Amino acid sequence: DAKTTQPTSMDCAEGRAANLPCNHSTISGNEYVYWYRQIHSQGPQYIIHGLKNNETNEMASLIITEDRKSSTLILPHATLRDTAVYYCIVSARNAGNMLTFGGGTRLMVKP
Amino acid sequence: DGGITQSPKYLFRKEGQNVTLSCEQNLNHDAMYWYRQDPGQGLRLIYYSQIVNDFQKGDIAEGYSVSREKKESFPLTVTSAQKNPTAFYLCASSTLAGGKGEQFFGPGTRLTVL
Repeated sequence: DAKTTQPTSMDCAEGRAANLPCNHSTISGNEYVYWYRQIHSQGPQYIIHGLKNNETNEMASLIITEDRKSSTLILPHATLRDTAVYYCIVSARNAGNMLTFGGGTRLMVKP
Repeated sequence: DGGITQSPKYLFRKEGQNVTLSCEQNLNHDAMYWYRQDPGQGLRLIYYSQIVNDFQKGDIAEGYSVSREKKESFPLTVTSAQKNPTAFYLCASSTLAGGKGEQFFGPGTRLTVL
Protein backbone atom coordinates (compact mmCIF):
# COMPACT_ATOMS: atom_id res chain seq x y z
CA ASP A 1 0.00 0.00 0.00
CA ALA A 2 1.11 3.54 -0.73
CA LYS A 3 2.45 5.39 2.29
CA THR A 4 1.02 8.75 1.26
CA THR A 5 -2.41 10.39 1.20
CA GLN A 6 -3.33 12.99 -1.41
CA PRO A 7 -6.58 14.69 -2.44
CA THR A 8 -8.14 13.00 -5.43
CA SER A 9 -8.47 16.18 -7.49
CA MET A 10 -7.82 19.91 -7.44
CA ASP A 11 -8.46 22.87 -9.71
CA CYS A 12 -6.21 25.86 -10.24
CA ALA A 13 -6.59 29.03 -12.31
CA GLU A 14 -3.99 29.57 -15.02
CA GLY A 15 -1.21 31.88 -13.82
CA ARG A 16 -1.92 31.25 -10.15
CA ALA A 17 0.12 29.10 -7.79
CA ALA A 18 -0.93 25.48 -7.46
CA ASN A 19 -0.37 24.04 -3.99
CA LEU A 20 -0.64 20.24 -3.83
CA PRO A 21 -0.65 18.72 -0.33
CA CYS A 22 0.55 15.28 0.71
CA ASN A 23 0.40 13.47 4.04
CA HIS A 24 3.07 10.92 4.89
CA SER A 25 2.72 10.51 8.63
CA THR A 26 4.55 7.15 8.77
CA ILE A 27 7.65 8.31 6.88
CA SER A 28 10.91 6.81 8.13
CA GLY A 29 14.07 8.76 8.85
CA ASN A 30 15.85 7.50 5.73
CA GLU A 31 12.96 8.06 3.34
CA TYR A 32 12.84 10.93 0.90
CA VAL A 33 9.71 12.61 -0.45
CA TYR A 34 9.51 12.42 -4.25
CA TRP A 35 7.04 14.10 -6.57
CA TYR A 36 6.27 12.88 -10.09
CA ARG A 37 3.61 13.93 -12.54
CA GLN A 38 1.92 12.06 -15.37
CA ILE A 39 0.37 13.86 -18.28
CA HIS A 40 -2.39 11.86 -19.92
CA SER A 41 -1.17 8.69 -21.70
CA GLN A 42 2.51 9.47 -21.08
CA GLY A 43 5.10 8.06 -18.68
CA PRO A 44 5.51 9.78 -15.31
CA GLN A 45 8.08 12.58 -15.05
CA TYR A 46 10.25 13.34 -12.02
CA ILE A 47 9.64 16.80 -10.58
CA ILE A 48 11.52 17.21 -7.32
CA HIS A 49 12.51 15.44 -4.12
CA GLY A 50 13.63 16.29 -0.60
CA LEU A 51 14.58 14.83 2.76
CA LYS A 52 13.84 17.52 5.32
CA ASN A 53 14.84 20.87 3.87
CA ASN A 54 12.71 22.83 1.46
CA GLU A 55 13.80 22.44 -2.15
CA THR A 56 13.34 24.46 -5.32
CA ASN A 57 14.18 23.77 -8.95
CA GLU A 58 13.10 25.11 -12.31
CA MET A 59 9.82 23.21 -12.19
CA ALA A 60 8.56 23.56 -8.63
CA SER A 61 9.16 24.08 -4.93
CA LEU A 62 8.80 21.46 -2.21
CA ILE A 63 7.92 22.45 1.32
CA ILE A 64 8.36 19.72 3.98
CA THR A 65 7.03 20.28 7.49
CA GLU A 66 9.48 20.17 10.36
CA ASP A 67 8.09 16.86 11.64
CA ARG A 68 8.25 15.50 8.04
CA LYS A 69 4.72 14.16 8.28
CA SER A 70 3.44 16.23 5.38
CA SER A 71 4.63 18.23 2.39
CA THR A 72 3.35 20.60 -0.27
CA LEU A 73 4.37 20.81 -3.90
CA ILE A 74 4.10 24.32 -5.28
CA LEU A 75 3.85 25.17 -8.97
CA PRO A 76 4.36 28.95 -8.77
CA HIS A 77 2.62 29.98 -11.99
CA ALA A 78 0.47 27.14 -13.28
CA THR A 79 -0.09 26.81 -17.02
CA LEU A 80 -2.53 24.67 -18.97
CA ARG A 81 0.33 22.27 -19.69
CA ASP A 82 0.61 21.56 -15.95
CA THR A 83 -2.70 19.69 -16.09
CA ALA A 84 -1.71 16.18 -14.99
CA VAL A 85 -1.85 13.61 -12.19
CA TYR A 86 0.68 14.42 -9.48
CA TYR A 87 2.09 11.60 -7.36
CA CYS A 88 3.69 12.06 -3.95
CA ILE A 89 5.90 9.08 -3.06
CA VAL A 90 8.17 8.28 -0.13
CA SER A 91 11.22 6.20 -0.94
CA ALA A 92 14.48 5.17 0.70
CA ARG A 93 17.26 5.81 -1.81
CA ASN A 94 19.34 2.86 -0.63
CA ALA A 95 16.57 0.38 -1.48
CA GLY A 96 16.89 0.19 -5.24
CA ASN A 97 15.11 3.50 -5.80
CA MET A 98 11.80 1.70 -5.48
CA LEU A 99 8.61 3.70 -5.93
CA THR A 100 5.11 2.82 -4.68
CA PHE A 101 2.45 4.80 -6.51
CA GLY A 102 -0.88 5.73 -4.97
CA GLY A 103 -3.76 7.32 -6.83
CA GLY A 104 -2.21 10.79 -6.94
CA THR A 105 -3.94 14.16 -7.31
CA ARG A 106 -5.53 15.07 -10.61
CA LEU A 107 -4.72 18.77 -11.12
CA MET A 108 -6.85 20.64 -13.62
CA VAL A 109 -5.51 24.05 -14.62
CA LYS A 110 -8.32 26.19 -16.02
CA PRO A 111 -8.09 29.30 -18.22
CA ASP B 1 19.64 11.50 -27.54
CA GLY B 2 19.77 9.65 -24.25
CA GLY B 3 16.58 8.08 -23.04
CA ILE B 4 14.37 5.09 -22.62
CA THR B 5 12.31 3.69 -25.47
CA GLN B 6 9.38 1.31 -25.59
CA SER B 7 7.91 -0.28 -28.64
CA PRO B 8 5.37 -0.53 -30.01
CA LYS B 9 3.16 2.31 -28.72
CA TYR B 10 -0.02 0.29 -29.35
CA LEU B 11 -0.28 -3.49 -29.47
CA PHE B 12 -3.22 -5.75 -30.16
CA ARG B 13 -3.26 -9.47 -29.51
CA LYS B 14 -5.75 -12.26 -29.43
CA GLU B 15 -6.61 -13.92 -26.15
CA GLY B 16 -4.35 -16.84 -25.34
CA GLN B 17 -1.28 -15.48 -27.16
CA ASN B 18 1.95 -14.54 -25.44
CA VAL B 19 3.28 -11.08 -26.29
CA THR B 20 6.64 -9.44 -25.59
CA LEU B 21 7.00 -5.72 -24.92
CA SER B 22 10.32 -4.07 -25.64
CA CYS B 23 12.19 -1.67 -23.34
CA GLU B 24 15.63 -0.23 -24.16
CA GLN B 25 17.68 2.45 -22.39
CA ASN B 26 20.94 4.14 -23.35
CA LEU B 27 21.40 5.95 -20.04
CA ASN B 28 23.79 3.31 -18.65
CA HIS B 29 21.39 2.81 -15.75
CA ASP B 30 21.79 -0.20 -13.49
CA ALA B 31 18.17 -0.72 -12.55
CA MET B 32 15.13 -1.24 -14.76
CA TYR B 33 11.46 -1.62 -13.84
CA TRP B 34 8.16 -2.66 -15.38
CA TYR B 35 4.83 -1.22 -14.25
CA ARG B 36 1.22 -1.79 -15.19
CA GLN B 37 -1.38 0.98 -15.12
CA ASP B 38 -5.14 0.46 -15.36
CA PRO B 39 -7.53 3.34 -16.19
CA GLY B 40 -7.77 5.90 -13.41
CA GLN B 41 -5.28 4.03 -11.23
CA GLY B 42 -1.70 4.50 -10.14
CA LEU B 43 1.21 2.39 -11.38
CA ARG B 44 1.80 -1.10 -9.98
CA LEU B 45 5.20 -2.79 -10.06
CA ILE B 46 5.45 -6.03 -12.06
CA TYR B 47 9.18 -6.83 -12.06
CA TYR B 48 12.45 -5.04 -11.47
CA SER B 49 16.12 -5.72 -12.09
CA GLN B 50 19.12 -4.10 -10.42
CA ILE B 51 21.82 -5.97 -12.32
CA VAL B 52 22.25 -8.02 -15.48
CA ASN B 53 21.01 -11.61 -15.24
CA ASP B 54 19.07 -10.91 -12.05
CA PHE B 55 15.51 -9.72 -11.49
CA GLN B 56 12.90 -9.69 -8.73
CA LYS B 57 9.12 -10.00 -8.64
CA GLY B 58 7.11 -6.93 -7.84
CA ASP B 59 3.59 -6.72 -6.46
CA ILE B 60 1.77 -8.23 -9.47
CA ALA B 61 4.23 -10.62 -11.19
CA GLU B 62 1.79 -13.47 -11.84
CA GLY B 63 1.28 -14.07 -15.55
CA TYR B 64 4.38 -12.09 -16.56
CA SER B 65 8.02 -12.96 -17.23
CA VAL B 66 11.16 -10.90 -17.87
CA SER B 67 14.81 -11.29 -18.82
CA ARG B 68 17.87 -9.07 -18.35
CA GLU B 69 20.58 -10.42 -20.63
CA LYS B 70 21.98 -6.97 -21.41
CA LYS B 71 22.23 -3.87 -19.24
CA GLU B 72 20.32 -1.75 -21.74
CA SER B 73 17.41 -4.13 -22.38
CA PHE B 74 14.59 -5.45 -20.15
CA PRO B 75 11.81 -7.10 -22.21
CA LEU B 76 8.50 -8.07 -20.61
CA THR B 77 6.46 -11.06 -21.77
CA VAL B 78 2.77 -11.07 -21.02
CA THR B 79 1.79 -14.73 -20.98
CA SER B 80 -1.57 -16.36 -21.56
CA ALA B 81 -1.70 -17.00 -17.81
CA GLN B 82 -2.29 -13.29 -17.15
CA LYS B 83 -6.04 -13.11 -16.57
CA ASN B 84 -6.61 -9.49 -17.56
CA PRO B 85 -3.66 -8.30 -19.69
CA THR B 86 -5.28 -5.26 -21.30
CA ALA B 87 -3.50 -2.27 -19.72
CA PHE B 88 -0.93 0.49 -20.17
CA TYR B 89 2.60 -0.84 -19.57
CA LEU B 90 5.42 1.44 -18.50
CA CYS B 91 9.13 0.74 -18.31
CA ALA B 92 11.56 2.80 -16.24
CA SER B 93 15.26 2.90 -15.41
CA SER B 94 17.37 4.39 -12.64
CA THR B 95 21.00 4.72 -11.66
CA LEU B 96 21.85 3.13 -8.32
CA ALA B 97 25.11 5.05 -7.89
CA GLY B 98 24.66 8.71 -7.07
CA GLY B 99 22.09 10.80 -8.89
CA LYS B 100 18.83 11.91 -7.35
CA GLY B 101 17.38 8.44 -6.98
CA GLU B 102 14.73 9.19 -9.57
CA GLN B 103 13.31 6.84 -12.18
CA PHE B 104 13.14 7.78 -15.85
CA PHE B 105 10.09 6.47 -17.67
CA GLY B 106 9.51 5.44 -21.24
CA PRO B 107 6.43 6.53 -23.23
CA GLY B 108 4.56 3.29 -22.52
CA THR B 109 2.90 0.53 -24.54
CA ARG B 110 -0.86 0.24 -24.56
CA LEU B 111 -1.75 -3.45 -24.88
CA THR B 112 -5.24 -4.54 -25.89
CA VAL B 113 -6.15 -8.21 -25.83
CA LEU B 114 -9.17 -9.03 -27.95
